[in-house]
Amino acid sequence: QVQLVQSGAEVKKPGASVKVSCKASGYTFTSYDINWVRQATGQGLEWVGWMNPNSGNTGYAQKFQGRVTITRNTSITTAYMELSSLRSGDTAVYYCARGRGGSYRYYFDYWGQGTLVTVSS
Amino acid sequence: SYVLTQAPSVSVAPGKTARFTCGGDNIGSKSVNWYQQRPGQAPVLVIYYDSDRPSGIPERFSGSNSGNTATLTISRAEAGDEADYYCQVWDSGSDHPGVVFGGGTKLTVL
Repeated sequence: QVQLVQSGAEVKKPGASVKVSCKASGYTFTSYDINWVRQATGQGLEWVGWMNPNSGNTGYAQKFQGRVTITRNTSITTAYMELSSLRSGDTAVYYCARGRGGSYRYYFDYWGQGTLVTVSS
Repeated sequence: SYVLTQAPSVSVAPGKTARFTCGGDNIGSKSVNWYQQRPGQAPVLVIYYDSDRPSGIPERFSGSNSGNTATLTISRAEAGDEADYYCQVWDSGSDHPGVVFGGGTKLTVL
């Protein structure tokens, strides 16, 4: 069965960076995109960016351009999201999600369990 | 950038029909997906490509999309349907194409 298992909660100081991992299993890792979506407490879902694990190509929401990097290690079927220059507004649960459907018809069929990132001095 | 508008909350009596709307400029030309998120859990896909159901999602869940409004309908609502529901599209029309979510609608089953 398809599973996306994320790394544990993180506490970081303002200005620091955080790197969250997402271990995929139960399918061919390079055949589907991995996306990252975040959710602040009591708020809605916010898309961060995507990556094609086969090519390594990425795309990021304009809001996060220059601060986020999504990478992967295909040998261990794991994707990573690194967010830098953290501020209190980045405190949120970060989800990885498998993306499919191609452009124009894109959706997320499996999600990780979420990783809480807390930014606090 | 593209904006999706959802009502903050919807209430329904058990056994009745709940409808969630997702408004967007000419959203009928886009493919709309819907997610259910129960408290403390990750989102779950309930409708994709406007009206298709993933395996394991009850037939009580259905979707439609036309004009400026997409709709998710839950028939015969149950207490277990209480959750937040989000619509989502791919926005290809801006300088920065990407995924857009609506603000979400909280369903209360009275």
